[in-house]
Amino acid sequence: KQEVTQIPAALSVPEGENLVLNCSFTDSAIYNLQWFRQDPGKGLTSLLLIQSSQREQTSGRLNASLDKSSGRSTLYIAASQPGDSATYLCAVRGSMYNNNDMRFGAGTRLTVKP
Amino acid sequence: DAGVIQSPRHEVTEMGQEVTLRCKPISGHDYLFWYRQTMMRGLELLIYFNNNVPIDDSGMPEDRFSAKMPNASFSTLKIQPSEPRDSAVYFCASSPTTRYGYTFGSGTRLTVV
Repeated sequence: KQEVTQIPAALSVPEGENLVLNCSFTDSAIYNLQWFRQDPGKGLTSLLLIQSSQREQTSGRLNASLDKSSGRSTLYIAASQPGDSATYLCAVRGSMYNNNDMRFGAGTRLTVKP
Repeated sequence: DAGVIQSPRHEVTEMGQEVTLRCKPISGHDYLFWYRQTMMRGLELLIYFNNNVPIDDSGMPEDRFSAKMPNASFSTLKIQPSEPRDSAVYFCASSPTTRYGYTFGSGTRLTVV
């Protein structure tokens, strides 16, 4: 069964700092990996989707990398802003041999202080 | 497209009552997923459908939970009878194919008193 782990569970940084969120997964038989953002009491907003054949994806100040063989992904946030404060969730979608569904990590709660 | 639409947004019910949550996926999406989110357990997959057929319901906690997808544009998750421990946020998500990511609905916050 696929297990997804996110470290750290919580992170507090001053505004302007660059930061990295980590995600690891146990089974490399995946179709893709997706990073989401969740604000308190809200739904999940997709940030980046990386296919299993890709190494990274970028959107604005966000960059996500994928190393499938080692079961790791990172989300890099450049020049953090207070508006980036939220919980960031990593999810991996299994291949047909690993159930074709998406398994989530517990998330990293990010606080960016002004 | 309006995205994945869930209703109701909030539901408060008494223990023992039947609860029905509804989801309309994005048109053309072949996959539909139901998740439950709690502080203690995070996001848990309950069941997912492919082309209206339930594929994996191993996450459904017990027989009190049931899900249906009578057509490509509608799914329900039913809890009967409801219990206080069912209180959570229930999300529906859809996806076109395996190569694409998920789009989530806004969720239904269920409180069973």
